[in-house]
Amino acid sequence: DAGVIQSPRHEVTEMGQEVTLRCKPISGHNSLFWYRQTMMRGLELLIYFNNNVPIDDSGMPEDRFSAKMPNASFSTLKIQPSEPRDSAVYFCASSGDRSDYGYTFGSGTRLTVV
Amino acid sequence: SQQGEEDPQALSIQEGENATMNCSYKTSINNLQWYRQNSGRGLVHLILIRSNEREKHSGRLRVTLDTSKKSSSLLITASRAADTASYFCATDRGNYQLIWGAGTKLIIKP
Repeated sequence: DAGVIQSPRHEVTEMGQEVTLRCKPISGHNSLFWYRQTMMRGLELLIYFNNNVPIDDSGMPEDRFSAKMPNASFSTLKIQPSEPRDSAVYFCASSGDRSDYGYTFGSGTRLTVV
Repeated sequence: SQQGEEDPQALSIQEGENATMNCSYKTSINNLQWYRQNSGRGLVHLILIRSNEREKHSGRLRVTLDTSKKSSSLLITASRAADTASYFCATDRGNYQLIWGAGTKLIIKP
């Protein structure tokens, strides 16, 4: 398995533009997590999906953020409109039934909003 | 939210020496996990220790867990330049959400 695949690796966009981040979890994993990492706030859980259903989106900063998981092999995180304070590294991670064997993280998308 | 705390925040040692990092947490847990993050990369799962375990080994890694003190330590023996990274602990309370520490930045000097 190629691991958790995220795209793009880097994204630079202008304030106000829509940004879409993509994630392909590991086949067979039924939990998917979107995290944001910044120097100031560390790792923040944005949203958690189980069996493609959003279970907890309390970490989504505001209505500008939305996430979908249309099937077991694909998820998107969308920011519309983007703002400079959204600049961060966004990680997708997946795991099996429980976190007993840990999470597998993607390489992340570094988002810069100018 | 990050409720775990690692110390030290940063650690710089000579190659070949042992590195010890500590993690404290606040609530009862199912298990505690350690992850490594190389600069500009995603986190990599290193080792998981369950609440009923006291010590676990994996290669050059040794993890201990003291549930009475709500603390864990990660020991890396015979450090190498490639061990330079940030190390995070994360606690699992039995629901889906891991609680992350702020990390220890480890630098191995040649």
